[in-house]
Amino acid sequence: KNEVEQSPQNLTAQEGEFITINCSYSVGISALHWLQQHPGGGIVSLFMLSSGKKKHGRLIATINIQEKHSSLHITASHPRDSAVYICAAKANAGGTSYGKLTFGQGTILTVHP
Amino acid sequence: GAVVSQHPSWVICKSGTSVKIECRSLDFQATTMFWYRQFPKQSLMLMATSNEGSKATYEQGVEKDKFLINHASLTLSTLTVTSAHPEDSSFYICSASNGVHYYNEQFFGPGTRLTVL
Repeated sequence: KNEVEQSPQNLTAQEGEFITINCSYSVGISALHWLQQHPGGGIVSLFMLSSGKKKHGRLIATINIQEKHSSLHITASHPRDSAVYICAAKANAGGTSYGKLTFGQGTILTVHP
Repeated sequence: GAVVSQHPSWVICKSGTSVKIECRSLDFQATTMFWYRQFPKQSLMLMATSNEGSKATYEQGVEKDKFLINHASLTLSTLTVTSAHPEDSSFYICSASNGVHYYNEQFFGPGTRLTVL
């Protein structure tokens, strides 16, 4: 079992739909990143959060530290949102892993017009 | 967010040659830079962590003599793939951060696609 698990692995939606991508982790973390990777390969950092909720435009990210779970929501989805979404957990203090990211396997999102 | 650039964006080389990839933080001082590689349809795999002015820390299974990392300044880190072979063909991504604490965000470069013939 991976330390960071995402679901679903593939997600297809119609334009305008509300989308949720989930991320569960089994390690102690100091923060969690949500990243977006387009087919060209470049990675954009969408959010970094260690508690609560963050919102940027149509994107919302939440995290529940007690349940070790985070979600990324996209409201009013659009074809340009089609990309791979990756959650990455930042290792907690102490040890040689401090500050390193452990990546989920990614969720491939396709939004049809 | 902060901007991180990589150069070149893609490179094709012959087997046995060495290739240098640059990672630059354009608008902040990056005390720590990370180098990742990504195979098709797989997630990122951390290769090494470099701190400015000190030797890089390599992940288990990554050959430090093959993947030379230099982080000589707060805005530049380089990865040199020495004596490249076809199995080194991959997508290499760097990220830069001004620390490793929970509040220090990592900003990713656009990646370099290496093809070794």
